[in-house]
Formats: sequence, structure tokens, C-alpha cells
Amino acid sequence: DAKTTQPPSMDCAEGRAANLPCNHSTISGNEYVYWYRQIHSQGPQYIIHGLKNNETNEMASLIITEDRKSSTLILPHATLRDTAVYYCIVRAYGGATNKLIFGTGTLLAVQP
Amino acid sequence: DAGVIQSPRHEVTEMGQEVTLRCKPISGHNSLFWYRQTMMRGLELLIYFNNNVPIDDSGMPEDRFSAKMPNASFSTLKIQPSEPRDSAVYFCASSPSANPYGYTFGSGTRLTVV
Repeated sequence: DAKTTQPPSMDCAEGRAANLPCNHSTISGNEYVYWYRQIHSQGPQYIIHGLKNNETNEMASLIITEDRKSSTLILPHATLRDTAVYYCIVRAYGGATNKLIFGTGTLLAVQP
Repeated sequence: DAGVIQSPRHEVTEMGQEVTLRCKPISGHNSLFWYRQTMMRGLELLIYFNNNVPIDDSGMPEDRFSAKMPNASFSTLKIQPSEPRDSAVYFCASSPSANPYGYTFGSGTRLTVV
């Protein structure tokens, strides 16, 4: 699975959009981009995933560049409860092994 | 749906003792994963099962660790003998097979070995 690079930490003002970047320059054609987050002391939580088109759900939007070498997770109106570590993971859907490998992620601190 | 249920939530044990962590996956999920999280190493995948069969245990740190899944609704992770460096939060997750966006994690077991 391709590796990802994320900034270790970011700040965001409450009510503003939080834009979390992820670089995955070695991504393969059959690999998806997944985002999970982990709020302090809880288990990780699925947010969103995509292949090459932009995706949106009730939690967030995912913007993937045309060359697919990077992506951005957008939380449109961040709240204090969005303070968490956000993980960007790249892997092939339905691959030979069904496992997610977590990196170090980005600690997003939403400030009041 | 009660989600993935782990027990106990907290465990404090003395070095050398046997520790057993338990997990009940979501009904219908046929993949189950055990992760360990520490400040130094982050989230590490220890082992995962598919249809109750261990598929990949390459993350199990050493022979002191063992995991079983006797049926679709129950799994255990055992450490014998336990050591202080095993102190961590252990998470269990389940998913429908080959479905990475379907992972659901439990609340974890915080293990402290003194």
C-alpha cells in the first residue's frame, strides 16, 4: 500500500472550515484514499473515502487532485468536538488482505 | 446495534500475570482486527481474522501474545506472561469482509502492567 504524508498538527478556529492535507505521491491506480479520525481515548472512526472523484457525506468532503497524488479532507464548519487525530490511509479496495495500516496522522486542534 | 464490545475497559495487572482481553464484533461482520496503541508506536495492527480464521499475525510482537476466535461472535487476545512494556490501549475492530470503510472500532481496553 502506498505511504502517506500528513502534517503532525494543525489549528482551526471554531466555525471555520478545516482543511487537512495528505500527500500520497506513490498511489496506484487501484488504491483508494480513506480518512479516519480518533477522538481522545476513543477508537478510530471512519469519515470518508474516495478513488478519484470528489466525495461528500454528512461529516466531510474529500477533494482528490487530478493526478491523485494528494488529497484534502474538509470539515466545513469545525466544532470543538472535531478536535482529534485525523488519519489518511491509502490502500486497494478488496485487496488480498483486508487491513488498514495507520500512520501518525494530523492532530487537529479546534480553537474556541 | 451495540457496536463492537470490548472487556474489560481497564485492566491493571502485575508483571508475569496472564491477561485476557475480550471482544465481541458486530453481528454479520466477518473480519476482526486487534490493534495496540502506545504513544511511542501509535496504532499497530497485531492480527486479523477473516471468517474466524487468522489471516495475518505478523504484527504480534512475540510468542507471549496469542489470539483466538472460536466463533463469529467472540475473540480473545491473551498475553502470558505480561510485561510492563505491554502497557497500552488495545482496540478491537470488525468489518464486513474486504470493506475498509466498514471498520468499526470498540472503545478499547487500557492495560497497565506494573
